[in-house]
Amino acid sequence: ETGVTQSPTHLIKTRGQQVTLRCSSQSGHNTVSWYQQALGQGPQFIFQYYREEENGRGNFPPRFSGLQFPNYSSELNVNALELDDSALYLCASSPDSSSGNTIYFGEGSWLTVV
Amino acid sequence: QKEVEQNSGPLSVPEGAIASLNCTYSDRGSQSFFWYRQYSGKSPELIMFIYSNGDKEDGRFTAQLNKASQYVSLLIRDSQPSDSATYLCAARLSGGYNKLIFGAGTRLAVHP
Repeated sequence: ETGVTQSPTHLIKTRGQQVTLRCSSQSGHNTVSWYQQALGQGPQFIFQYYREEENGRGNFPPRFSGLQFPNYSSELNVNALELDDSALYLCASSPDSSSGNTIYFGEGSWLTVV
Repeated sequence: QKEVEQNSGPLSVPEGAIASLNCTYSDRGSQSFFWYRQYSGKSPELIMFIYSNGDKEDGRFTAQLNKASQYVSLLIRDSQPSDSATYLCAARLSGGYNKLIFGAGTRLAVHP
């Protein structure tokens, strides 16, 4: 039990639709990052939020966007869904933005795009 | 392109043996290294992290780091069938935020 909770756990969307995934970070953790894990691959960093600001981004297009709220929970939004967006989306929280050595993942959200 | 490389496996070991999982990384600026265990259909679970050269032990697990060789390993002593999973190695880069670069993982199978 990492204290990081994600919702929904599974969802199916149609190509072209939009999706919002949610994450509540572990108590006391002010930094949330999002990863995409395609089948058979390691997770890939999408972006990180620290105190409601995006402060790091991986190689993902602008249709991947996010928010962080004052209570440090976060959302990942994906617009114009493509078949290749089908993956496990992971949220990770850490105590701070730049020296975290305890980076815990939530249970993930499985997204299938048809 | 900053990379973390792992053998995909499967690595098959008998119950009770030592499993040795290896990982190399390309970015010398990497600050710390993580091992995660991932069961099929589940999210990665943090086993341990290491940031200094040498060994770090936690129960049946020992992480080893050699920054000169850009090499990280994980030893699992007294392997159990419940250790059968995919093991992900990740490097945290310098640069002010907690971006992890993951390898594709090594599948470990522990047979009775």
